Amino acid sequence: GENVEQHPSTLSVQEGDSAVIKCTYSDSASNYFPWYKQELGKRPQLIIDIRSNVGEKKDQRIAVTLNKTAKHFSLHITETQPEDSAVYFCAHGGSQGNLIFGKGTKLSVKP
Amino acid sequence: DTGVSQNPRHKITKRGQNVTFRCDPISEHNRLYWYRQTLGQGPEFLTYFQNEAQLEKSRLLSDRFSAERPKGSFSTLEIQRTEQGDSAMYLCASSSMGEKLFFGSGTQLSVL
Repeated sequence: GENVEQHPSTLSVQEGDSAVIKCTYSDSASNYFPWYKQELGKRPQLIIDIRSNVGEKKDQRIAVTLNKTAKHFSLHITETQPEDSAVYFCAHGGSQGNLIFGKGTKLSVKP
Repeated sequence: DTGVSQNPRHKITKRGQNVTFRCDPISEHNRLYWYRQTLGQGPEFLTYFQNEAQLEKSRLLSDRFSAERPKGSFSTLEIQRTEQGDSAMYLCASSSMGEKLFFGSGTQLSVL
């Protein structure tokens, strides 16, 4: 019951368009939902996170929404730029232990 | 640089040899995690420590893998009798009380 499904696995958008990545989890005890960005050959970096007592959080061009009833959460990137190209991972976990990561979405932003 | 530091960055070894990796977390972080990442996959949890106590180990972690954090600061991950299937990037992360994990650059292991 700890898996997380992430879709799509690849996403190609034109510069300036929006990108949306969705994740579904099964562990109802999860209360923390971060998103990481990993550029080729580099470490995963936290870009935004949300706790289960909040439905939406925004940071400039990035937003995350959470539907705890349906057990899914999404990453929204608006006005995409070429430097947004990377692999994005969703994750979920509780405050007691580890994070479980999705398999990643390779985002390509074409200029 | 006060980020998470991992050594070595790359390790090439022959099948059957033992290898040891080191991780130095962010100094004020009490939690330290080990993950494994293969190409095209997300990080897979291996184990984590709170201070010097190892609190959780994944079912993925075979008996050939052992991790220590003797003084609650740096940690080592040892793999005994390496197999080709152990080839992966081994990532260390640290956090303060379980949120906002900060990752190191990883140790890339290649088992020939």
